[in-house]
Amino acid sequence: GQQLNQSPQSMFIQEGEDVSMNCTSSSIFNTWLWYKQDPGEGPVLLIALYKAGELTSNGRLTAQFGITRKDSFLNISASIPSDVGIYFCAGAFGNEKLTFGTGTRLTIIP
Amino acid sequence: GAVVSQHPSRVICKSGTSVKIECRSLDFQATTMFWYRQFPKQSLMLMATSNEGSKATYEQGVEKDKFLINHASLTLSTLTVTSAHPEDSSFYICSARWQGKRETQYFGPGTRLLVL
Repeated sequence: GQQLNQSPQSMFIQEGEDVSMNCTSSSIFNTWLWYKQDPGEGPVLLIALYKAGELTSNGRLTAQFGITRKDSFLNISASIPSDVGIYFCAGAFGNEKLTFGTGTRLTIIP
Repeated sequence: GAVVSQHPSRVICKSGTSVKIECRSLDFQATTMFWYRQFPKQSLMLMATSNEGSKATYEQGVEKDKFLINHASLTLSTLTVTSAHPEDSSFYICSARWQGKRETQYFGPGTRLLVL
């Protein structure tokens, strides 16, 4: 099925560094969701965005709904070991099903 | 956030048997639930949309007679993998649509299926 372009595919950072990732779509959405998935677990909702330009924080995480409604960004500040995992963006328009990004695998180098 | 549970968390079965996976929304009612399949190191692939009180909507390429979905109540959807074969081994994840003030989806913890 259709997927969003999510980048980067993987990141290797040191503890304490900031992280940035983004998703782009060829079509507009009116909902952007960011999830984190740990190995062997289901995705956990991190942040939900519902309005173009919206900037929302959840602790050290901040996500933005792009003005064009075709992109979204997730930033993690001062990364810690438990931030390791795969981050997925997902977009939807109206009551349509979610379209998922390809995922960003975050690894923290000791 | 809202809680969605799945049972069992992992199952091993013999080829040719059927396996039922349950998805429950524990603290909210969900008229719509979704079933996904995830292969190693890949994103989630939507299999079908489960609608309470009506037939499920299957994605292209997903056999409805192979993957039976029942959404008999506002808090429970089941996925039955019929006559399972080794190629059906995968990680199956459900989600429930929460239609509160702002709509979102909450995922279950997933079910690891291994068909021998």
